[in-house]
Amino acid sequence: QKEVEQDPGPLSVPEGAIVSLNCTYSNSAFQYFMWYRQYSRKGPELLMYTYSSGNKEDGRFTAQVDKSSKYISLFIRDSQPSDSATYLCAMSSANQAGTALIFGKGTTLSVSS
Amino acid sequence: GAGVSQSPSNKVTEKGKDVELRCDPISGHTALYWYRQSLGQGLEFLIYFQGNSAPDKSGLPSDRFSAERTGGSVSTLTIQRTQQEDSAVYLCASSPAGGGQPQHFGDGTRLSIL
Repeated sequence: QKEVEQDPGPLSVPEGAIVSLNCTYSNSAFQYFMWYRQYSRKGPELLMYTYSSGNKEDGRFTAQVDKSSKYISLFIRDSQPSDSATYLCAMSSANQAGTALIFGKGTTLSVSS
Repeated sequence: GAGVSQSPSNKVTEKGKDVELRCDPISGHTALYWYRQSLGQGLEFLIYFQGNSAPDKSGLPSDRFSAERTGGSVSTLTIQRTQQEDSAVYLCASSPAGGGQPQHFGDGTRLSIL
């Protein structure tokens, strides 16, 4: 079993839809959870950063972490064509210097106008 | 301010040649990371620097790979005697300190080995 599992998609939705992206993980030591957005031929761009369980909202984006289920989600409300990208979940364990991020393989999202 | 800068953005070279990839982190960021992104494989951690020291080299795939960082700033990833399986996007990230801090990525170097 991979440490982080993420459905690669592709996921296609119409403009204005609510999008749900998810990752599951196996390492209970993970405490820091991130979502990155990656456009074609660009580097990953940090979207959301959360610590431990709970919800965090930023504009149209909401990140949820359920540590008991080892499950994280990113919701996008009122999706736009500009949201079309690959979304990567990432996580890391204890707050030690040099802790590498463990990434999911990414979900490709396409929002049609 | 400026983000993480990587150069070259693209590199095509012949098998067996050596290549150098450069990363200029965000000013003031003491932690620097190299990752490799291969098609279908996701991002794979290669090496981490805190200042000029590399306490964790565990992700380097072979002894053909090496990296250094000078002045607590610019880092160079060197691949010697390149092989076709080295073809990938090499991404650099930096953060203000170590674990628990979000990492900010450059746009990567797309390396193609012919």
